[in-house]
Amino acid sequence: EIVLTQSPGTLSLSPGERATLSCGASQSVRSNYLAWYQQKPGLAPRLLIYDASSRATGIPDRFSGSGSGTDFTLTINRLEPEDFAVYYCQHYGSSPLITFGQGTRLEVK
Amino acid sequence: QVHLVESGGGVVQPGGSLRLSCAASGFSFSRYAMHWVRQAPGKGLEWVAVLSPAGDIRIYTDSVEGRFTISRDNSEKTVFLQMKNLKPDDTAVYYCARDPIAPAPDYFDFWGQGTLVTVSS
Repeated sequence: EIVLTQSPGTLSLSPGERATLSCGASQSVRSNYLAWYQQKPGLAPRLLIYDASSRATGIPDRFSGSGSGTDFTLTINRLEPEDFAVYYCQHYGSSPLITFGQGTRLEVK
Repeated sequence: QVHLVESGGGVVQPGGSLRLSCAASGFSFSRYAMHWVRQAPGKGLEWVAVLSPAGDIRIYTDSVEGRFTISRDNSEKTVFLQMKNLKPDDTAVYYCARDPIAPAPDYFDFWGQGTLVTVSS
């Protein structure tokens, strides 16, 4: 079973700064099948990144994904006030079929 | 535009049953696999089940295998989650989500707003 571990648990930054969120996998993720989601309180998650580095439709280019194998990163450049939320990584494509990381809370410093 | 609307949540006693529905619109429903994902209060996301576009392949997470059944009605553009022998640990917001790539399972490009299931005596 692939376990995803996100770090840090909470990240405190100011608008305009750069956020770097990490997602580590216990085993190599096949074909970089890794996605990132943003979730705001009371709302459903929103897809940001799929296949480790492809931006979903309508996602601003200040969001970028990178990594391969067991180490993946979500970078948010020039933080906007609406970017403060919880972020989850998700693995797919192998057994168990789909797992999520525990989340990183991005909060205003 | 793509729209997913869940319904059917509520309060149920342990051991009880509940049926969730997810009505889809804005896309060719019968071409897409559909998933259920849940989120316990204050916790992270947990994938629950996936159903193939034709409804012939179902896969569940271990904790619900044998208790939950995912199904769909492509003529009504609706996916269902029948939940039986519910446990307090099943308390969560249940989201339906679309899988954009065949064959599933993959990531989720559209989500519903969720419906809350509370299992409590």
